[in-house]
Amino acid sequence: RKEVEQDPGPFNVPEGATVAFNCTYSNSASQSFFWYRQDCRKEPKLLMSVYSSGNEDGRFTAQLNRASQYISLLIRDSKLSDSATYLCVVNQPSGGSYIPTFGRGTSLIVHP
Amino acid sequence: NAGVTQTPKFRVLKTGQSMTLLCAQDMNHEYMYWYRQDPGMGLRLIHYSVGEGTTAKGEVPDGYNVSRLKKQNFLLGLESAAPSQTSVYFCASKSSVSSTDTQYFGPGTRLTVL
Repeated sequence: RKEVEQDPGPFNVPEGATVAFNCTYSNSASQSFFWYRQDCRKEPKLLMSVYSSGNEDGRFTAQLNRASQYISLLIRDSKLSDSATYLCVVNQPSGGSYIPTFGRGTSLIVHP
Repeated sequence: NAGVTQTPKFRVLKTGQSMTLLCAQDMNHEYMYWYRQDPGMGLRLIHYSVGEGTTAKGEVPDGYNVSRLKKQNFLLGLESAAPSQTSVYFCASKSSVSSTDTQYFGPGTRLTVL
């Protein structure tokens, strides 16, 4: 069982739709959480950090539920350019430091 | 400021050949990481380093070795390449031990082992 799990999708939505992704993690001692975006054949790039109180950046909203050990990403008013793979990253404790652990990614396709 | 760079961008090897992948960062970051990414598998950690002269094993270390002789460089070696090591390899760096710091990735190296 992978420590960080995501629904691989693909999520196929029309422009303007609202779409939500979830990510669950198994280590309750995990400290910090991120969403990365990866375009085809490119490196992952930070989309946003996820804070305990939830946070918003334009059309993107991230939330953390520590009790249920999941994080979520909500994208409102989807654009064609949002098509990408969204990676959940959880920093898990290991040997005195924190190791970033990636989910397998959720694929989003936004169509006209 | 180039960020994180990787050399080479592409490489084709024959089974049993050796090679070294170079990762360089100019941000004075302490932490550096090597990942491999295969279809449907996400990014899996091979080895990482918490500072110059130190290395540690990640989730899938077998068949790879690493060295961090200089703070800015992190080398990944394949002593005897196997077809199972065909993958995209990403290097990343992070400023410090703080769990809130984010990683910065290089553009990747696409390796094919025949």
